[in-house]
Amino acid sequence: AQSVTQLDSHVSVSEGTPVLLRCNYSSSYSPSLFWYVQHPNKGLQLLLKYTSAATLVKGINGFEAEFKKSETSFHLTKPSAHMSDAAEYFCVVGGTGGGNKLTFGTGTQLKVEL
Amino acid sequence: NAGVTQTPKFRILKIGQSMTLQCTQDMNHNYMYWYRQDPGMGLKLIYYSVGAGITDKGEVPNGYNVSRSTTEDFPLRLELAAPSQTSVYFCASSYSTWRDRPNQPQHFGDGTRLSIL
Repeated sequence: AQSVTQLDSHVSVSEGTPVLLRCNYSSSYSPSLFWYVQHPNKGLQLLLKYTSAATLVKGINGFEAEFKKSETSFHLTKPSAHMSDAAEYFCVVGGTGGGNKLTFGTGTQLKVEL
Repeated sequence: NAGVTQTPKFRILKIGQSMTLQCTQDMNHNYMYWYRQDPGMGLKLIYYSVGAGITDKGEVPNGYNVSRSTTEDFPLRLELAAPSQTSVYFCASSYSTWRDRPNQPQHFGDGTRLSIL
């Protein structure tokens, strides 16, 4: 079975500094991996996806993630944080067995301070 | 440009009452899902459907029922509301690929915030 672990439940950065949200995955096959963002009182929005093409994946709003098979990691980064980036971020792995089911991490709350 | 629409946005129920959470999508996706989100727990799959007339249990189905009579609609029913069902409920949809490989992203509604007192 597949799983994801988000290593930090809360991350705080200053505006204009880099963002790093860490995610490790477990999967017995070549995984599909996603990052979603959830702003307060909103649904989840897809930031980016990895599906075994390029290992460096670019997403919306300047975010990107790098798939590292040797480290079983899929960390999310952004060079310069903006106040509007404050939200909860979920690392997600795709499953097998039909139904296109996804397994969600427990989330990382990103706080951006002036 | 509606995507996935959930109603109601908020609801307060008394213990033992029943209600139906509505979900409709206009993207012609054949797969639909119901999740619940509790603080610090991520999203847990309640039920899913791979097409009209076909539903299956997810990770936490107890206390819930679903039906899928059309491609667009996937209502979630709570028959006897319990305090443990206080949560935020999300509906999502996706389209299928052959053998679901690679996995496709799911598209989410804005959620229904449900409190049971």
